Amino acid sequence: GDSVTQTEGQVALSEEDFLTIHCNYSASGYPTLFWYVQYPGEGPQLLFRASRDKEKGSSRGFEATYDKGTTSFHLRKASVQESDSAVYYCALSDRGSNNRIFFGDGTQLVVKP
Amino acid sequence: EAAVTQSPRNKVAVTGGKVTLSCNQTNNHNNMYWYRQDTGHGLRLIHYSYGAGSTEKGDIPDGYKASRPSQENFSLILELATPSQTSVYFCASGDEGQDYAEQFFGPGTRLTVL
Repeated sequence: GDSVTQTEGQVALSEEDFLTIHCNYSASGYPTLFWYVQYPGEGPQLLFRASRDKEKGSSRGFEATYDKGTTSFHLRKASVQESDSAVYYCALSDRGSNNRIFFGDGTQLVVKP
Repeated sequence: EAAVTQSPRNKVAVTGGKVTLSCNQTNNHNNMYWYRQDTGHGLRLIHYSYGAGSTEKGDIPDGYKASRPSQENFSLILELATPSQTSVYFCASGDEGQDYAEQFFGPGTRLTVL
C-alpha cells in the first residue's frame, strides 16, 4: 500500500542554519506529493505540493523537488528562522487511494535564536 | 473566516462516558475526515466520509463511530471512552481534483479521558 517515511523525528537547529528533512514514499501509481506544516495549537496547513517528476514545489523559502527515480521529496530551506519552528509532514495522494492522503509521522523542527 | 471548525476545543471526559466531537465545514467539500494525533504516530485516520449519509472506516476505527448527517457536519462518537483515547483530534475536509486529493484541517480538539 501507499506510505510515506520521514527519517527524522526531531531536528534542532540554530537560526540561519540550512535545513533538510528527508521524505521517501512508496506508491502504486503516480502520486501527488505534499508538505504540510503545523504550528503549535493549530491544525496542519498545506505548505506546497508537486505532481510531476522533477517538479519543484516552494513556499516561504522552503522547497522540495519531486524525484521519481529515488522516490523522494526532501524538504530544504537555506536559512531557518525561529518562526519556522513547527511540525512538518510529508504526504502523498494517489488517484487510486479513494481520496485519502497518506501522511508521514512528522518531523518536529526546533530553531533556537 | 475559518472554513473548518471543531467543537469543543477542549474536553475532559470520564472513563465509560460518551463523547461526541463535532466538525463543521463551509468549503462545500464532499469529503470529510477524522484523525487523531499522538507523539510518535503523526496523524492517523479514524473515519472518513464521501458525503451526507456515508461513513467509511479508516486505519484505526475501533472504539469510534462517525456520523455525517449533512454536507457540512461530521461527528466523531466515542460510545465508551477509555484513557487510551486521550489525544488531539483533527477534522479535515477535502475534494479530489484532477490529479490529487487535498485536505483542509480544523484547529483540533484536545480530549482527556480520566
